[in-house]
Amino acid sequence: DTGVSQDPRHKITKRGQNVTFRCDPISEHNRLYWYRQTLGQGPEFLTYFQNEAQLEKSRLLSDRFSAERPKGSFSTLEIQRTEQGDSAMYLCASSLKRGDEKLFFGSGTQLSVL
Amino acid sequence: QKEVEQNSGPLSVPEGAIASLNCTYSDRGSQSFFWYRQYSGKSPELIMFIYSNGDKEDGRFTAQLNKASQYVSLLIRDSQPSDSATYLCAVKASSASKIIFGSGTRLSIRP
Repeated sequence: DTGVSQDPRHKITKRGQNVTFRCDPISEHNRLYWYRQTLGQGPEFLTYFQNEAQLEKSRLLSDRFSAERPKGSFSTLEIQRTEQGDSAMYLCASSLKRGDEKLFFGSGTQLSVL
Repeated sequence: QKEVEQNSGPLSVPEGAIASLNCTYSDRGSQSFFWYRQYSGKSPELIMFIYSNGDKEDGRFTAQLNKASQYVSLLIRDSQPSDSATYLCAVKASSASKIIFGSGTRLSIRP
């Protein structure tokens, strides 16, 4: 399977703990996006990368959220000091290149903060 | 004002009829528009995309763009029960490559 891969599929954590999610994009795609989705809402943009460069981060995102894409391959999203409001599905998507922004999504990581 | 707005539905359409889904967007400079389908418990899947140069048809699906009114629509002909899902409208920002999604319209096809 050469689609977008996310790990883990589910994460349950206690409030105040740090969590990290991983995304492996489609191999030839150089753009990678992170979104957050809650029930009944559309995906909310968090950040995106062109290769290893983080080009934009949502102004709504607190400093507790950080993302990296070392070497322009896989990406990690870390949430520090989790809060109950962070509970959501975290979706990763990739696209081929600038000018071709058709997104291909992974299966997501469902985060539950207790 | 939300950047991409959709009626949340549910929109109920009889099998075999045409389903019409709409969204409006606020960024007048946007030139790329996408429709994604999301089944319950699954991730969004791209079904149509159009650019500012016109409408597009693919099988039972037609995407239409009205730039003057900042309005995008998706028509599904000969609706099938398998079309029952949430349809997400997405727009590429004119100033960057971020893709902004609407909240989605739930479509239900009744037999």
